Amino acid sequence: DIHMTQSPSSLSASVGDRVTITCQASQDISNSLTWYQQKPGKAPNLLIFDASTLETGVPSRFSGDGFGTDFTFTISSLQPEDVGTYFCQQYDRVPFTFGPGTKVEI
Amino acid sequence: EVQLVESGGGLLQPGTSLRLACSASGFKFEDYAMHWVRRAPGKGLEWVAGISWNSLSTGYADSVKGRFTVSRDNAKTSVFLQLNSLRTEDTAFYYCVKDNNDYLWGVFDQWGQGTLVTVSS
Repeated sequence: DIHMTQSPSSLSASVGDRVTITCQASQDISNSLTWYQQKPGKAPNLLIFDASTLETGVPSRFSGDGFGTDFTFTISSLQPEDVGTYFCQQYDRVPFTFGPGTKVEI
Repeated sequence: EVQLVESGGGLLQPGTSLRLACSASGFKFEDYAMHWVRRAPGKGLEWVAGISWNSLSTGYADSVKGRFTVSRDNAKTSVFLQLNSLRTEDTAFYYCVKDNNDYLWGVFDQWGQGTLVTVSS
């Protein structure tokens, strides 16, 4: 199975700050990576697929980059509504696996 | 508007069985693969199982293989998860999830609100 790691596990930043999360895969997954946001008490929401493609309707302050084993997710200007937990996930092969999550607080 | 509504969760004893259902609407159900993803309290997300549009291809996490079975009924726009030999570690919110492809591609573009399964003696 492909093991996914994320860092940091949590972060606290101010409104307007640039926030970056990293995700690493245990083996080459090409660009088969998604990012999800889960707000407290809500279902996860797809933000980015193919490592860098923004899902329709997702604000442009969210972005993703990377290929192979190392990936980054950035919020260019943190907003209060961005509070939640962010997960990366690989879909290069079954079983699909998620990173442990990064909790973002203001 | 896409809607995925899960049902069937509850409090179960270890070793028992449960069947979760997910009713889908707002999209052409028969054109997409469907999945179940869970999140245990205080833990991260775990993909549980997936099924292709035509039911010919299924996949399971190692932790549930041989105990859980995913199925679908395209005529009823529903997907199901049969959970057998339940363990305490199966306690989680179970989400019904739509793939953005017809086979098990793994991009989860729509999620239900989840149903809670609690396994405890």
